[in-house]
Amino acid sequence: GQQVMQIPQYQHVQEGEDFTTYCNSSTTLSNIQWYKQRPGGHPVFLIQLVKSGEVKKQKRLTFQFGEAKKNSSLHITATQTTDVGTYFCAGLGGSNYKLTFGKGTLLTVNP
Amino acid sequence: DGGITQSPKYLFRKEGQNVTLSCEQNLNHDAMYWYRQDPGQGLRLIYYSQIVNDFQKGDIAEGYSVSREKKESFPLTVTSAQKNPTAFYLCASSTWGGYATNEKLFFGSGTQLSVL
Repeated sequence: GQQVMQIPQYQHVQEGEDFTTYCNSSTTLSNIQWYKQRPGGHPVFLIQLVKSGEVKKQKRLTFQFGEAKKNSSLHITATQTTDVGTYFCAGLGGSNYKLTFGKGTLLTVNP
Repeated sequence: DGGITQSPKYLFRKEGQNVTLSCEQNLNHDAMYWYRQDPGQGLRLIYYSQIVNDFQKGDIAEGYSVSREKKESFPLTVTSAQKNPTAFYLCASSTWGGYATNEKLFFGSGTQLSVL
């Protein structure tokens, strides 16, 4: 079945440093979503990418969808302590059109 | 105040016991989902329902059962057949645009289930 691999599993940064998490799918995706889960909380939708090569920005966050629609990335510029949490990608694809989540990247920020 | 309500926040299960987790939404969403979250494992789909009185197995349905008698409600029963039930359970809902479309998921605050 469809698999979505996400790396790294953990990332610790100093406040002000940049951060990137990557997702790779075993199959071509129709679209990809990104979610953020704060410690002790629940996932919250950040964005959806649909078009090949699409780039979207939300303040310090930049989301990219690969040309082949099999990979995606989330980049945070100048991290802040409020960015702490686990970031998940979730891809829609395959024959069953179900959303498949990556295992997430846990970001911790040292103030 | 629209949203998804899960209860209880914490639940303990004894050996051989069935327990039911509640999920209610007032977003008027057609689709509802149950996910299981284990540390370092991401979210895995247990069951989902696109319409009242219909539901489909997800990737890890064994040992679980669901019902969808009302649009607003999608309870999950963890049966005694589920040998490793300790996990964080998340309910979600979305609008449903049919196959090959996708809508964003709204999650409840989750239920932490532990075995006594």
